[in-house]
Amino acid sequence: SQLAEENPWALSVHEGESVTVNCSYKTSITALQWYRQKSGEGPAQLILIRSNEREKRNGRLRATLDTSSQSSSLSITATRCEDTAVYFCASYQGGRALIFGTGTTVSVSP
Amino acid sequence: EAAVTQSPRNKVAVTGGKVTLSCNQTNNHNNMYWYRQDTGHGLRLIHYSYGAGSTEKGDIPDGYKASRPSQENFSLILELATPSQTSVYFCASGVLRVSYEQYFGPGTRLTVL
Repeated sequence: SQLAEENPWALSVHEGESVTVNCSYKTSITALQWYRQKSGEGPAQLILIRSNEREKRNGRLRATLDTSSQSSSLSITATRCEDTAVYFCASYQGGRALIFGTGTTVSVSP
Repeated sequence: EAAVTQSPRNKVAVTGGKVTLSCNQTNNHNNMYWYRQDTGHGLRLIHYSYGAGSTEKGDIPDGYKASRPSQENFSLILELATPSQTSVYFCASGVLRVSYEQYFGPGTRLTVL
């Protein structure tokens, strides 16, 4: 069963607009990460937020973490066509590997 | 240059045949992982390794074997391939307790006919 889940399943925006992807997880975590996977590539980390942090920024990206509700969000401002990808949240719970959600497909059109 | 590479990038195999997927990493990470990715399931962990000579079962190991002959190389072996193993396979390396990050290869698309 999935221990992390993103929503919505898919989003479409136009260039320049903002988009937010949400993630819920089911157990306590050490850190939560957001990964982006472009078509034909492997996932790549975008941003890491530790359990004692509430917000993290990286350029046009902003991640939030609410450990009380076990949820996180990733916002992308001023989107570009090259932001088109699948976005995953991944949690590290002190175990053997990251736990990935099923992903949100974000499509950015001109 | 890419730190995690996979070969082949695409593979067509026949049911019952043997398939070996290879992964090489230059990150000098102890840990390596094999995932498969299917629509609706995200990334699922098949096998992983803590270092040369070690392999461990992940969440869906049935039908797969793994081999870690060196720090750099980690192989996934399908002894008797089945159509249900048609998928995209990703290899990754990482030191989770230090950086929490996994570094992925570009993937291998496997089709079993």
